[in-house]
Amino acid sequence: KAGVTQTPRYLIKTRGQQVTLSCSPISGHRSVSWYQQTPGQGLQFLFEYFSETQRNKGNFPGRFSGRQFSNSRSEMNVSTLELGDSALYLCASSPASRGQFFGPGTRLTVL
Amino acid sequence: GIQVEQSPPDLILQEGANSTLRCNFSDSVNNLQWFHQNPWGQLINLFYIPSGTKQNGRLSATTVATERYSLLYISSSQTTDSGVYFCAVGSGGGADGLTFGKGTHLIIQP
Repeated sequence: KAGVTQTPRYLIKTRGQQVTLSCSPISGHRSVSWYQQTPGQGLQFLFEYFSETQRNKGNFPGRFSGRQFSNSRSEMNVSTLELGDSALYLCASSPASRGQFFGPGTRLTVL
Repeated sequence: GIQVEQSPPDLILQEGANSTLRCNFSDSVNNLQWFHQNPWGQLINLFYIPSGTKQNGRLSATTVATERYSLLYISSSQTTDSGVYFCAVGSGGGADGLTFGKGTHLIIQP
């Protein structure tokens, strides 16, 4: 099976812009989770979607949002970008109760 | 929320050495995973091990859920084992949001 794919792999934006990142899960996986990795805060959970519904949410401001489509593909959006949003954004998909499988990530730089 | 502590934070070893990485967690979990982050940032699954012992080649892991810790063993280290190793736990099932430790940065010298 193909692994989790994320697009784009690299992105440069300026403060105040918005960005949309995409994630395609492993075929058959219905749960998709998003994480942010920064040098200062480490890896932090953003949110998790299952069957197009957000089931869990981490402690991030409302500028961070996501959605999941009927084919399980997911997008996350960050509005009004801040310098501190520069990070590696990782998507993971999961079958039931067997752990999470991560994609290669999108490296976002905010100037 | 659950707290995850990994030790040691840094480890430098010679090729061929063995190592033990530890992960302590503060509450009951039903999901525990070990990952290796490659230089490009991708998290590579090593083990899904909420309890018990598993082995995969030179790597093995043990989780003692009642005592809230997990150990990752790497035997006969190779330079390609270098990188950051993360322990991550979840309490709501396999698909719940994971809480990550800060990682162990392992350097294997030739």
